[in-house]
Amino acid sequence: DAGVTQSPTHLIKTRGQQVTLRCSPKSGHDTVSWYQQALGQGPQFIFQYYEEEERQRGNFPDRFSGHQFPNYSSELNVNALLLGDSALYLCASSLDGGSYNSPLHFGNGTRLTVT
Amino acid sequence: AQSVTQLDSQVPVFEEAPVELRCNYSSSVSVYLFWYVQYPNQGLQLLLKYLSGSTLVESINGFEAEFNKSQTSFHLRKPSVHISDTAEYFCAVTTTGNQFYFGTGTSLTVIP
Repeated sequence: DAGVTQSPTHLIKTRGQQVTLRCSPKSGHDTVSWYQQALGQGPQFIFQYYEEEERQRGNFPDRFSGHQFPNYSSELNVNALLLGDSALYLCASSLDGGSYNSPLHFGNGTRLTVT
Repeated sequence: AQSVTQLDSQVPVFEEAPVELRCNYSSSVSVYLFWYVQYPNQGLQLLLKYLSGSTLVESINGFEAEFNKSQTSFHLRKPSVHISDTAEYFCAVTTTGNQFYFGTGTSLTVIP
């Protein structure tokens, strides 16, 4: 049973560039959430996708955008990268649009470094 | 909005000793509570959860946590730790299951 897979595992970008991160949810899951985990911090909610639409959004600027495909996989796009965007980006999948009864299953993350 | 406070950023403990990792939350509505564990270079894994019912919940590897509504706490305990328990532990809350709020984490180091 494949868990949540994320690609790439590591990425180095320059300020001002754009980046796309990818996520495939756990088999059977239909909901994808993205979290940013800065060094020494807990994960911060970016947004959640369900039925190919952004269902809920955290306190992140519009430079952060996403997409969910019909096969439930998802992309996170970040435009105009800032040094402060350097972090581990975690994808988490769950069921039924996000239910407290369906805990998050996390991937191993993409480590983004902005120089 | 909800928030989570993990009072200890680092907890060193000797092998086979007991440990308690503290978690307090703030919310104006009822919440669901979770503990996640993160091993080096890995994502977070669910350790245990409180949804309703008995306020004491247990994990399969010997951890337990008790929901205390009056003190708005959900402390994690284990009576005897092993080397393999060395990891980062995160407390989290949600009201709906859509957005989870995580604490800043507690680094548990088990000393041989």
